[in-house]
Amino acid sequence: NAGVMQNPRHLVRRRGQEARLRCSPMKGHSHVYWYRQLPEEGLKFMVYLQKENIIDESGMPKERFSAEFPKEGPSILRIQQVVRGDSAAYFCASSGLRTAMNTEAFFGQGTRLTVV
Amino acid sequence: AQTVTQSQPEMSVQEAETVTLSCTYDTSESDYYLFWYKQPPSRQMILVIRQEAYKQQNATENRFSVNFQKAAKSFSLKISDSQLGDAAMYFCAYRDSGGGADGLTFGKGTHLIIQP
Repeated sequence: NAGVMQNPRHLVRRRGQEARLRCSPMKGHSHVYWYRQLPEEGLKFMVYLQKENIIDESGMPKERFSAEFPKEGPSILRIQQVVRGDSAAYFCASSGLRTAMNTEAFFGQGTRLTVV
Repeated sequence: AQTVTQSQPEMSVQEAETVTLSCTYDTSESDYYLFWYKQPPSRQMILVIRQEAYKQQNATENRFSVNFQKAAKSFSLKISDSQLGDAAMYFCAYRDSGGGADGLTFGKGTHLIIQP
């Protein structure tokens, strides 16, 4: 049972380009979370999705950022017109059906985005 | 909004000794979950231990244990018999049990150094 898979591991983009980060959740998981980690910081929640639905996007910047989790295929975090301040590690986590006993989210290894 | 504070940016301990990492949090909720995650240089986020707020008994996982003080909103991690492989960033995290924010709220982390 493969873990949470993120790709690419490293992504370099020039200012103004688009960045697409992919996340395949663990098999059987239907909940996906995206987090951003700036240097020397903890992870900051961005968005929570279930298949075809955005459940909570309270941590997403209002402009240039979007996320989707289609019925088929991986979840995508899309950053348009990237700026240097977008440089960070972006982590995806997945979990199964949320119950009192099922509290754990499993993390991918992250995508390090560098904007030059 | 919930906040998580880790007041120790860096801690150092001799191999085989015991070290305690501090974490405090702020919430108005009565039911929630607390976690400690380990992030080695590979960047993979690894769950070390978790605690349900409704449980008075402190969680234990082999050499890792917590001191959960609900009234004081404190959740420290004790690592016994420290090993070189324990060297990593350690993040304390909080999540509502339900009806609140779905994502994890992380502290800024503590860098743990193990001296051989």
